[in-house]
Amino acid sequence: GDSVTQMEGPVTLSEEAFLTINCTYTATGYPSLFWYVQYPGEGLQLLLKATKADDKGSNKGFEATYRKETTSFHLEKGSVQVSDSAVYFCALSAPNDYKLSFGAGTTVTVRA
Amino acid sequence: NAGVTQTPKFRILKIGQSMTLQCTQDMNHNYMYWYRQDPGMGLKLIYYSVGAGITDKGEVPNGYNVSRSTTEDFPLRLELAAPSQTSVYFCASRDREPNSPLHFGNGTRLTVT
Repeated sequence: GDSVTQMEGPVTLSEEAFLTINCTYTATGYPSLFWYVQYPGEGLQLLLKATKADDKGSNKGFEATYRKETTSFHLEKGSVQVSDSAVYFCALSAPNDYKLSFGAGTTVTVRA
Repeated sequence: NAGVTQTPKFRILKIGQSMTLQCTQDMNHNYMYWYRQDPGMGLKLIYYSVGAGITDKGEVPNGYNVSRSTTEDFPLRLELAAPSQTSVYFCASRDREPNSPLHFGNGTRLTVT
């Protein structure tokens, strides 16, 4: 079935460092891809999405590009802040499917 | 701006007890979902619903039941609590438009001892 694999954490960075979280997927057809973020004590919220190959999603300084040739959707941010400390989830939705499949999540901690 | 509201926030159950986790949304979303989140395991789908009166099993439905009598409410029932059901439970909803985002509640942390 469709699935998402993301890099294991935890990841600890200093402020202004570059962040990348790898995400690869397995799916038939052309899924839509998402990154969700979970701040401490809260539910998940959508960070960005891409619905077709070569689309780039972006929000709050984060970017991810839908790469069909490598079945990847890596998340990047050029200069992280302490407020970016959270758990990040990669997710996939197959065409005409009501459901999302989530990766295991990557915990990111940014130190001042 | 209520969005998705879950109650209670925390609960401790003894083995064999039952309880209902409440979820309500005020966005008139057709689709609603229950996930559980375990450390290092991501989110696993328990049940979902595409509209009032319609429910379907997800990946891990055993030990749970749901109902969807109205568009707004999607309660999750645990009949005989087991330690394996210790987890954080999230309810979510979304619009029927393809690729519309999931809106999550803040979760219920359940401990079964």
